[in-house]
Amino acid sequence: GQQLNQSPQSMFIQEGEDVSMNCTSSSIFNTWLWYKQDPGEGPVLLIALYKAGELTSNGRLTAQFGITRKDSFLNISASIPSDVGIYFCAGYPNSMNYGGSQGNLIFGKGTKLSVKP
Amino acid sequence: DAGVTQSPTHLIKTRGQQVTLRCSPKSGHDTVSWYQQALGQGPQFIFQYYEEEERQRGNFPDRFSGHQFPNYSSELNVNALLLGDSALYLCASSDTRGTYNSPLHFGNGTRLTVT
Repeated sequence: GQQLNQSPQSMFIQEGEDVSMNCTSSSIFNTWLWYKQDPGEGPVLLIALYKAGELTSNGRLTAQFGITRKDSFLNISASIPSDVGIYFCAGYPNSMNYGGSQGNLIFGKGTKLSVKP
Repeated sequence: DAGVTQSPTHLIKTRGQQVTLRCSPKSGHDTVSWYQQALGQGPQFIFQYYEEEERQRGNFPDRFSGHQFPNYSSELNVNALLLGDSALYLCASSDTRGTYNSPLHFGNGTRLTVT
């Protein structure tokens, strides 16, 4: 089945640093979503991208929909302690257009952000 | 504006038993999807309900079944529980009256432990 490759798997951040993570696929996606999940909670939507090349910001977060439609990245600028958590990319593959209903949203395995000891 | 709510938050069951999990979608949403999230993994799609019918299904056995009620709330049932069914079960809702690829909004999940 279709899979999303998310990297890095984990990273340590120091307050004030910029953070980058990305997601790639072997097939075309027509929607990319970025979620954050804190312990004991469900994923929370951060940014949604719908067009190839689209660059969207949400506060200190910026995400882009890759031109090839097979990748996306998320940047966090000037990180703060509350940025720790697990970030998931997710997307709707191009084949999943069911004319009015969402298809199977496919998730990456997540990037775990932790604070540098 | 209430978001997606799930109950119970935690559940412990014995192998072979049956379990029912419940979900109320975000206000204004008409579609409910269920996901299974194993420890350290991303959520995996189980199925989606729209207009009280199963619209799509992921790669899960028939032991997993569901229902959607006229008020859009939903239940997930799992029969003959296996140890491997232990996971966080997430419910997500969306509004299909917009674009087909609207983002999903997730609840905080039900943590199921099978012993």
